Amino acid sequence: ETGVTQTPRHLVMGMTNKKSLKCEQHLGHNAMYWYKQSAKKPLELMFVYSLEERVENNSVPSRFSPECPNSSHLFLHLHTLQPEDSALYLCASSQDGANDNEQFFGPGTRLTVL
Amino acid sequence: GENVEQHPSTLSVQEGDSAVIKCTYSDSASNYFPWYKQELGKRPQLIIDIRSNVGEKKDQRIAVTLNKTAKHFSLHITETQPEDSAVYFCAASKAILTGGGNKLTFGTGTQLKVEL
Repeated sequence: ETGVTQTPRHLVMGMTNKKSLKCEQHLGHNAMYWYKQSAKKPLELMFVYSLEERVENNSVPSRFSPECPNSSHLFLHLHTLQPEDSALYLCASSQDGANDNEQFFGPGTRLTVL
Repeated sequence: GENVEQHPSTLSVQEGDSAVIKCTYSDSASNYFPWYKQELGKRPQLIIDIRSNVGEKKDQRIAVTLNKTAKHFSLHITETQPEDSAVYFCAASKAILTGGGNKLTFGTGTQLKVEL
């Protein structure tokens, strides 16, 4: 796939595991986002990175730790998660400051915490 | 912060009929309102957006209207087809400043089903 890619697509982990979600955008954008999508709830913005700096942290528990090493890559490090953290985690990117504010989403990682 | 409400949560229409989805927002500073379509098992994709300096925008069978005074905006789909069946999300955000990202606040989504 082109555009925004995410790996893995599916992840099952125990509460004591440590795992990382990866996102890569091939669009030349300078802003990247992590969203959480749970059943029957709106897309929840977790983190925003613009120009590789975190500019938004929406009261996300510390068991979620983002990392943005460059403008094309975004990680979400997971540790000691809870079952209620099971959800679809979507990455998105956009061109910050451009007229067109469209956010392009990746396919998501379906996370199940046992 | 911004709060976006979306109605209805489910909508069933006959093929060829029109569908209307409505959203309200709370922050009068919001000035960008995109609509996303998410098919089952797929990523959300932008289908149309509108800025606060425009009252209406149309793209083939899809149109969006914005009432800044009342702080509500709507998605209109005419001549619906089975492939329009999906979940539709509205969203709102404030002015975009370079270095600040685009912090979208999403509605809860509308499951649209177009029946033959």
